[in-house]
Amino acid sequence: NAGVTQTPKFQVLKTGQSMTLQCAQDMNHEYMSWYRQDPGMGLRLIHYSVGAGITDQGEVPNGYNVSRSTTEDFPLRLLSAAPSQTSVYFCATSQGEQYFGPGTRLTVT
Amino acid sequence: QQQVKQSPQSLIVQKGGISIINCAYENTAFDYFPWYQQFPGKGPALLIAIRPDVSEKKEGRFTISFNKSAKQFSLHIMDSQPGDSATYFCAASMRGGSNYKLTFGKGTLLTVNP
Repeated sequence: NAGVTQTPKFQVLKTGQSMTLQCAQDMNHEYMSWYRQDPGMGLRLIHYSVGAGITDQGEVPNGYNVSRSTTEDFPLRLLSAAPSQTSVYFCATSQGEQYFGPGTRLTVT
Repeated sequence: QQQVKQSPQSLIVQKGGISIINCAYENTAFDYFPWYQQFPGKGPALLIAIRPDVSEKKEGRFTISFNKSAKQFSLHIMDSQPGDSATYFCAASMRGGSNYKLTFGKGTLLTVNP
């Protein structure tokens, strides 16, 4: 039982490049979400999903896309990376209590 | 508009002392208030949580105090230990259906000196 896994752990992108941050869970939780964490800003919700095929925007959705084709996976896509997207990204799942993954540290130069 | 305000930003406590972190919320529809603990390089982990039908919840050395009329809640860490040094986040959500969306405070960096 791995819980919540995120890949990659670290990534460096150039401005304008695209990439997908992967999140997978084996707890069969319907609710999944993506947060970004910046110094002094806490965790801010980017997108969330209450089940396969259903997604919605959080507090800071601009520049990010998500899809939820299965219960297990919830990838986060950056279509054209910007330096303002330099951050640590956390995926979380919930069926009551939220469980966070280990995070992906992204740097955009 | 920040819906959950957390203070202080940082806190230094001596070993054995009491650490107190405070949060205030604005949305009266919030009905679930968890605290998360985060160590460097790790994801946040649930520490303790409370619902507004009780004024206090204790788990070991950690206690949440909740004041519904003041829209405030706080985390007390008794007999603080160097291993408690971490960043602590309060959060709030409205429970209903399958949506577990959380709104977080900005965090408090706790340092417990030996």
